[in-house]
Order: sequence, then structure tokens, then C-alpha cells
Amino acid sequence: GDSVTQMEGPVTLSEEAFLTINCTYTATGYPSLFWYVQYPGEGLQLLLKATKADDKGSNKGFEATYRKETTSFHLEKGSVQVSDSAVYFCALSPSYNTDKLIFGTGTRLQVFP
Amino acid sequence: KAGVTQTPRYLIKTRGQQVTLSCSPISGHRSVSWYQQTPGQGLQFLFEYFSETQRNKGNFPGRFSGRQFSNSRSEMNVSTLELGDSALYLCASSFGLAGASRASETQYFGPGTRLLVL
Repeated sequence: GDSVTQMEGPVTLSEEAFLTINCTYTATGYPSLFWYVQYPGEGLQLLLKATKADDKGSNKGFEATYRKETTSFHLEKGSVQVSDSAVYFCALSPSYNTDKLIFGTGTRLQVFP
Repeated sequence: KAGVTQTPRYLIKTRGQQVTLSCSPISGHRSVSWYQQTPGQGLQFLFEYFSETQRNKGNFPGRFSGRQFSNSRSEMNVSTLELGDSALYLCASSFGLAGASRASETQYFGPGTRLLVL
């Protein structure tokens, strides 16, 4: 079945460091791909999305490119801030008839000043 | 535009009791999905409603049920609570597009209801 695999956390970085969080997926057809972020005590917020191969999603300095050849959707940011500390979830929406999102296990990011 | 709201935000119940959680979607959204989040299992899909009909269901026992009202508000119910039902229950809403656009539609999440079963 469809699935998402994320790199294990926590990821610990100093402020202004470069961030990469790896995400790979297994899916039939042409899923859409999402990154959601969860701050402590809150629900999920959409960070960015891409709906077809080679699309690049971007928001708040974060970017991810939908790579069908490597089935990947890695999240990157050039310079992280303390306020980026949160849990990041990669997710896919299958191409078949459902609103169900399939999530990865989440990666905790801790940024220190 | 108001976001997705969930009530109550926190709940403490004992084993064997039943609980009802409520979700009000963003105005204009007709699709509501529910997810359970636990440290061990992560985020798992419970079910999805559109126009008062359940469209999809995840792999949860029959103790978990839901419904949707004509104003798109949704409730989920868990009967005969078990300790393992302790979790953050998240609701998400979307317009509920049909056809090829459905996979690309963004779901907007509420803050969740944290349920503790003692």
C-alpha cells in the first residue's frame, strides 16, 4: 500500500544552519505531496505542497521538490531560526478517490541560538 | 476567515466510558476527516465525511464512529473507552473536490482534542 518514510529525529541545528529533512514515498499513480508542521500543543499547519512531478513547493523559506524518479520530497531551508523548532510531517494524498492523508512518522527539529 | 475549531480541547475519561468530540469546519468546506495521533502509532486516518455521508474509513474498531450534520459540522464518538484510546484527535476540513483535483486539495487541521483515558 501507499506509505511515507521520513528520516528519524531529532534534528538539532544551530541558528542559521542549513536544514534538510528527507522524505521518500511509495504510491501508485500520481499522488500529491505535502509538508505539515506541528508546533507544541497545536494542530497541523500546511507548510507547502506539490501536486505533480518536478513541482517545487515553497513557503517561509522552506522548499521541497517532487521527484518522481527518486520518489522523494525532501524539505530544505537555507537558514533556520529558533522559531522553526517544531515537528515536521511529510504526507501524501493518494491519486485514487479519497481525502485520506498518509503521514510519515514526523521529524522533530530543534534549533538553538 | 475562522479556522477549524474542535471542542473540547481537553478531556479526561475513565475506561468503559464513551466520549463525543466535535469539529466545526471552515465555512464553505463540506469534507471533514478525523485522525488519531499517538506517540507510538503516529497519525492515523479514522474516517472522512462529505455531505453527511461517510466516504472512507480507516482501520479502527467499530467502537469508533462518526457523523456529519447538514451544516458540515462533524462529531466522532468512541464507546467503551480503553487506555490505548488516549491520544490527540485531529479534525481536518476541505472543500471536498471531486475527480482528479481531489488529491491536490489542501486539508486544514484544527488544534485537536487531547483525550486522556484513565
